Amino acid sequence: DTGVSQNPRHKITKRGQNVTFRCDPISEHNRLYWYRQTLGQGPEFLTYFQNEAQLEKSRLLSDRFSAERPKGSFSTLEIQRTEQGDSAMYLCASSLYEGLEPLHFGNGTRLTVT
Amino acid sequence: DAKTTQPTSMDCAEGRAANLPCNHSTISGNEYVYWYRQIHSQGPQYIIHGLKNNETNEMASLIITEDRKSSTLILPHATLRDTAVYYCIVRVVGGNNRLAFGKGNQVVVIP
Repeated sequence: DTGVSQNPRHKITKRGQNVTFRCDPISEHNRLYWYRQTLGQGPEFLTYFQNEAQLEKSRLLSDRFSAERPKGSFSTLEIQRTEQGDSAMYLCASSLYEGLEPLHFGNGTRLTVT
Repeated sequence: DAKTTQPTSMDCAEGRAANLPCNHSTISGNEYVYWYRQIHSQGPQYIIHGLKNNETNEMASLIITEDRKSSTLILPHATLRDTAVYYCIVRVVGGNNRLAFGKGNQVVVIP
């Protein structure tokens, strides 16, 4: 299966710790998106990359959050000084840069901050 | 900034067609209707999309009204594995191409 891969699937951390998640998109996809989903809600957009360039960041993405896609392939999302409110599912999606192409999502990383 | 209205939940009978409604009365001419679903503990899965013509693929059919203010996703023969949250999304094509999800419609297929 060459779908979007996210690691780890689950992460439990203590408040104040830093965490990093990884996303491996579908290989030929040049767009990569990060979303966050809390219980009972739909996914919310956080940021996206075209190749290695981060082109847009949501207001949801506080200064404690940083995302990178250094070589235009995999991406990392880091949360510094985690808070209990950061507990959520973090979803990654990728697509080709062509207008109608759908986004393909991974199965997410579930973060629990205790 | 979701622009669609869906039922919060609905039940469907296994083996029957499931008709999932969606209202998007403020849709613009350059916006497409996309449908995704999300099975518990998985990421959203793309189903189908359309502009104004009816569309069909191996998963579902999409019927868009002539005025484009509403649409219906049809699962022709619902199975238990179709139990999921279904999201109807209006997407501007071009720019960041991102998807703006609402809360979706929790569809339960009943044996």
